[in-house]
Amino acid sequence: AQKITQTQPGMFVQEKEAVTLDCTYDTSDQSYGLFWYKQPSSGEMIFLIYQGSYDEQNATEGRYSLNFQKARKSANLVISASQLGDSAMYFCAMSGYNAGNMLTFGGGTRLMVKP
Amino acid sequence: DAGITQSPRYKITETGRQVTLMCHQTWSHSYMFWYRQDLGHGLRLIYYSAAADITDKGEVPDGYVVSRSKTENFPLTLESATRSQTSVYFCASREKGMNTEAFFGQGTRLTVV
Repeated sequence: AQKITQTQPGMFVQEKEAVTLDCTYDTSDQSYGLFWYKQPSSGEMIFLIYQGSYDEQNATEGRYSLNFQKARKSANLVISASQLGDSAMYFCAMSGYNAGNMLTFGGGTRLMVKP
Repeated sequence: DAGITQSPRYKITETGRQVTLMCHQTWSHSYMFWYRQDLGHGLRLIYYSAAADITDKGEVPDGYVVSRSKTENFPLTLESATRSQTSVYFCASREKGMNTEAFFGQGTRLTVV
């Protein structure tokens, strides 16, 4: 079984500052993938970034980077230079080799960017 | 248009009624999923399908039925709706492989009264 835990139900960040959203995971798989999705108030799910368990470098996509610490089983999302449009729910998810192609989600973190 | 679409977007139904939520994708992705989103629970997997005529239970399957006679369609049926099934339902699809992103429909907000 695989499990994702997001311990921060809500967070505030000042505009233009960086913020880290925490994600820890549990899996017996050696091969797995980690994803982050954004859900703005309009409700759609937007894919942000992916990290594979065997990737040696942390993934980056524009202002998003994933701080992957395999030994700690953590995959934190870092958003640099926060913008007002970053205010949304953020979900961490994983997909493990032995879990087939199921995508398991965490409970989410609501990020609010202050002007 | 290419993509994944859900219908209806909003639905109000009465307790005990059968209701079907539709999901259609145009990419011919192998995998399709149904999730429900409730406050404090994130997205929980109801059912998923690896291919046409292959379906399997997720975390919260009770009270739901799915079918997948064609690759592009994956309807979700609530056989006898209960108030606890009031939720936002998301359909998603992805191609086979751990590193493939899932694409989501717009969601269906279902209210059972």
